[in-house]
Amino acid sequence: NAGVMQNPRHLVRRRGQEARLRCSPMKGHSHVYWYRQLPEEGLKFMVYLQKENIIDESGMPKERFSAEFPKEGPSILRIQQVVRGDSAAYFCASSPLSGTSYEQYFGPGTRLTVT
Amino acid sequence: AQTVTQSQPEMSVQEAETVTLSCTYDTSESDYYLFWYKQPPSRQMILVIRQEAYKQQNATENRFSVNFQKAAKSFSLKISDSQLGDAAMYFCAYRSNYGNQFYFGTGTSLTVIP
Repeated sequence: NAGVMQNPRHLVRRRGQEARLRCSPMKGHSHVYWYRQLPEEGLKFMVYLQKENIIDESGMPKERFSAEFPKEGPSILRIQQVVRGDSAAYFCASSPLSGTSYEQYFGPGTRLTVT
Repeated sequence: AQTVTQSQPEMSVQEAETVTLSCTYDTSESDYYLFWYKQPPSRQMILVIRQEAYKQQNATENRFSVNFQKAAKSFSLKISDSQLGDAAMYFCAYRSNYGNQFYFGTGTSLTVIP
């Protein structure tokens, strides 16, 4: 059973470009979470999605950031018009159910560098 | 919002010795879950151990154990017989029984000295 897959692992964008980060959850998992890790910090929650639904986006910046988890295909975190402050590691996690006894399984992360 | 505090940015331990990493958290809830994750240089987040708040018994996973003090809101990780492969960043995390997100501390960088 493959783990959580994220691609690309490294992404370089110039200021003003768009960044698309992809996450494929573990097989059988229907819940996806996105976190951001700034240098020297812990992971910060951004958004929680189920298939075709955004359940909690309380950690998402109000502008330029969006996320989706379509019925088919991976979850996408999209950052429009990137700025230097968006440089960070973005982690995706998945879980089989929303029951809190299930821990979240993390992907290897995507390191975004904005030049 | 819940907060998780790791007051030790860096720790070191001699190989084969024991080290304890501290974590405190702030919550008004009674039902929740606590986790320790390890992040090696590869940056992959690896679950080390978890503790359900309703359980009084401290969780143990091989060389890893926790000291969970609910009243004090403390959740420390003890690593026994430290190995070179234990060198990594360690993050403490909290999850409410009523929400879905994890709250992470800022991490402790553990160095294992041969």
